[in-house]
Amino acid sequence: DQQVKQNSPSLRVQEGRISILNCDYTNSMFDYFLWYKKYPAEGPTFLISISSIKDKNEDGRFTVFLNKSAKHLSLHIVPSQPGDSAVYFCAASAGTYKYIFGTGTRLKVLA
Amino acid sequence: ETGVTQTPRHLVMGMTNKKSLKCEQHLGHNAMYWYKQSAKKPLELMFVYSLEERVENNSVPSRFSPECPNSSHLFLHLHTLQPEDSALYLCASSQEALVDIQYFGAGTRLSVL
Repeated sequence: DQQVKQNSPSLRVQEGRISILNCDYTNSMFDYFLWYKKYPAEGPTFLISISSIKDKNEDGRFTVFLNKSAKHLSLHIVPSQPGDSAVYFCAASAGTYKYIFGTGTRLKVLA
Repeated sequence: ETGVTQTPRHLVMGMTNKKSLKCEQHLGHNAMYWYKQSAKKPLELMFVYSLEERVENNSVPSRFSPECPNSSHLFLHLHTLQPEDSALYLCASSQEALVDIQYFGAGTRLSVL
């Protein structure tokens, strides 16, 4: 059973609008979360993280929100740019180096 | 110099071949990881090394044999693989083998015929 789920395999957004990528998890022991971005033929690149002691973390155009009661996190990209088109993975850890990854959401930002 | 470098980028091998994947990190990290990503599946952790000592072997078949000669280099030796082993193999490193950001290489796309 997948402990980390990204239920939307793909998302299309107009340039300049907000992109919202979602991630749900089942293990209440998860306390640290990462988002990665992956371009074709490249490895995943770290984007932003959040600890369970926070409910929001912001870095430029990227903001991650954590709702612990709902076991849900989301990545907001505002404004979206064509260069943001990539596959986005969320990953969760229960306090160790063992991250459980989602299957990814492919974002396409339309110019 | 790119942070984490993997070679080769692509590899095709027969089931009776022996080959090795190489990973090198230039970040001064102490922990290195091998992951497998099969089509439509999430990344699966295979092995973890901390200061050249293996700290995790995630029920990986013995036809995969890791080696970490120093904290900058990691190898994955392959022998008598099966077609279902075809996947993207990713190497990553982090400062320590703790809750930490992991930095990935570009991966080796392996096809087993």
